[in-house]
Amino acid sequence: DTAVSQTPKYLVTQMGNDKSIKCEQNLGHDTMYWYKQDSKKFLKIMFSYNNKELIINETVPNRFSPKSPDKAHLNLHINSLELGDSAVYFCASSQDRGWNSPLHFGNGTRLTVT
Amino acid sequence: AQSVTQPDIHITVSEGASLELRCNYSYGATPYLFWYVQSPGQGLQLLLKYFSGDTLVQGIKGFEAEFKRSQSSFNLRKPSVHWSDAAEYFCAVGGYQKVTFGTGTKLQVIP
Repeated sequence: DTAVSQTPKYLVTQMGNDKSIKCEQNLGHDTMYWYKQDSKKFLKIMFSYNNKELIINETVPNRFSPKSPDKAHLNLHINSLELGDSAVYFCASSQDRGWNSPLHFGNGTRLTVT
Repeated sequence: AQSVTQPDIHITVSEGASLELRCNYSYGATPYLFWYVQSPGQGLQLLLKYFSGDTLVQGIKGFEAEFKRSQSSFNLRKPSVHWSDAAEYFCAVGGYQKVTFGTGTKLQVIP
């Protein structure tokens, strides 16, 4: 019954590695997002996809590459991981592509880069 | 670009006491405003939202918020706090095709 699910919940890896985080939503929403929450709890949007089309890319390093195979899935691949990438990454979805549509969040993936 | 300010990083209240969390926003038009709550190890959950109409909006878990255009504020209130309300609270504004979050207020509830 989980509305927005992301895996894995925890990810510990070394600098330079490549890793992926997967996200799936069963709400029938058209838009999905990746947010990054840093150690001070600041939440910042990274990407947004609407019906598999990229609509927001917030000056994220190109080591981060989102992929949306269909509108229910949005994955995040990170190349050459750096210490500064350590954070909690949240997937979210919304009914519409707009800014007036409430967000539904997954429970987050805590990424630790050592 | 829009922005949100939550001036209180941390607030401590006694169980049963009233609560008000402050939020100020900056946006060039009529804003879409939200309050979300985040429990430890969880994602954010929508408490309430304001789009238009009545400036006092009711949300889940007994929370309410009041939109004051003249003060650019959207403060969250609860008349009697329960221990289970201890969490991080985020105010957010929607505009320019995205939602921007404040830095959050951590609520501690003491018995």
